[in-house]
Amino acid sequence: DAGVTQSPTHLIKTRGQQVTLRCSPKSGHDTVSWYQQALGQGPQFIFQYYEEEERQRGNFPDRFSGHQFPNYSSELNVNALLLGDSALYLCASSHYGTVNYGYTFGSGTRLTVV
Amino acid sequence: AQSVTQLGSHVSVSEGALVLLRCNYSSSVPPYLFWYVQYPNQGLQLLLKYTTGATLVKGINGFEAEFKKSETSFHLTKPSAHMSDAAEYFCAVSAPGNTPLVFGKGTRLSVIA
Repeated sequence: DAGVTQSPTHLIKTRGQQVTLRCSPKSGHDTVSWYQQALGQGPQFIFQYYEEEERQRGNFPDRFSGHQFPNYSSELNVNALLLGDSALYLCASSHYGTVNYGYTFGSGTRLTVV
Repeated sequence: AQSVTQLGSHVSVSEGALVLLRCNYSSSVPPYLFWYVQYPNQGLQLLLKYTTGATLVKGINGFEAEFKKSETSFHLTKPSAHMSDAAEYFCAVSAPGNTPLVFGKGTRLSVIA
């Protein structure tokens, strides 16, 4: 049973560039949430997608945007990268309405902005 | 608004000793509480969760936690530490309904042989 798959695992970008991160949810899950985990910190909620719509959003600027496709996979886009965007980006999947019963997390994408 | 405070950013125990990782939460509604573990260069793995019912919750790898409403706590324990328990542990809170998890800053557990 495939879990949550994220790609790429690592990438390095330059300030001002744009980046796209990808996530395939666990089989049977329909909801994808994205989290940012800065070094030495706990994950912080960015946004959640269900039925191809953004359902909830955390305290992140509009530079962070996302998309969900009909097959439930999702992308996280970050524009005009800042040094402070360097972090581990985690994707979590779940069934909509049962998110409180625990997410399944991917291994993350480590983004370094230089 | 909900929040989580994990007391102690780093805890060190000897192999075979009791593990106690502390978590206090703040929530205006009945909380759902979670403990996740993160090994180096990996994502988060759910250890255990409390939603409703029995306040003592047993999880994987011999861990358990007790929900104490009067103390707003959800401390994680394991009777005997193993070297493989060395990792980062995160406590998280949510609320009934489709609300996102709010995580603490984490506690790094080291196990000394």
